Amino acid sequence: GEDVEQSLFLSVREGDSSVINCTYTDSSSTYLYWYKQEPGAGLQLLTYIFSNMDMKQDQRLTVLLNKKDKHLSLRIADTQTGDSAIYFCAEILYNQGGKLIFGQGTELSVKP
Amino acid sequence: SQTIHQWPATLVQPVGSPLSLECTVEGTSNPNLYWYRQAAGRGLQLLFYSVGIGQISSEVPQNLSASRPQDRQFILSSKKLLLSDSGFYLCAWSVGTGNQPQHFGDGTRLSIL
Repeated sequence: GEDVEQSLFLSVREGDSSVINCTYTDSSSTYLYWYKQEPGAGLQLLTYIFSNMDMKQDQRLTVLLNKKDKHLSLRIADTQTGDSAIYFCAEILYNQGGKLIFGQGTELSVKP
Repeated sequence: SQTIHQWPATLVQPVGSPLSLECTVEGTSNPNLYWYRQAAGRGLQLLFYSVGIGQISSEVPQNLSASRPQDRQFILSSKKLLLSDSGFYLCAWSVGTGNQPQHFGDGTRLSIL
């Protein structure tokens, strides 16, 4: 079945780059998404990439997609303490009416 | 612009009591609507989704039900809450048919005593 996997924790120092990795299984996914969840809040859509792209950059965020290996990553440049949150990767199942499959989330901890 | 509202933000209910959580979307027509539960860990579990008024699909068998009485209103209900219904409930919306992102509300924290 469909599955999205992420490592659970990542700790970086303020100012460093953070790289959050994700693997997915459904090769028919048209879009892949990154969401951010701060404590006690809902999920905020951060960025997304279309499956025919290799890379997308949006200010401090860079998304890399390796479709052959079904591997997605989110790089946050110059990580700040305000970036501390849980980051979810999600793939969309186009053939199932846009159902999203989420990973378990990576908790990013930024130390000053 | 589109906005999504969920209420209440926090709810404490005794076991066996009924439940009604409400979600409304503004600024768009005929949205797809979703209810998720996020348990104490991290994972998001899709409970229900709706592509139109009165059209509800259930993803997992459970003690909860959903209704969509109006185009932009989605309600999550239970007749008798169980301890296992505790969690963080998130409503989301999207548009189109299959490749648009979902946008989430701020969630309701439900504690069952």
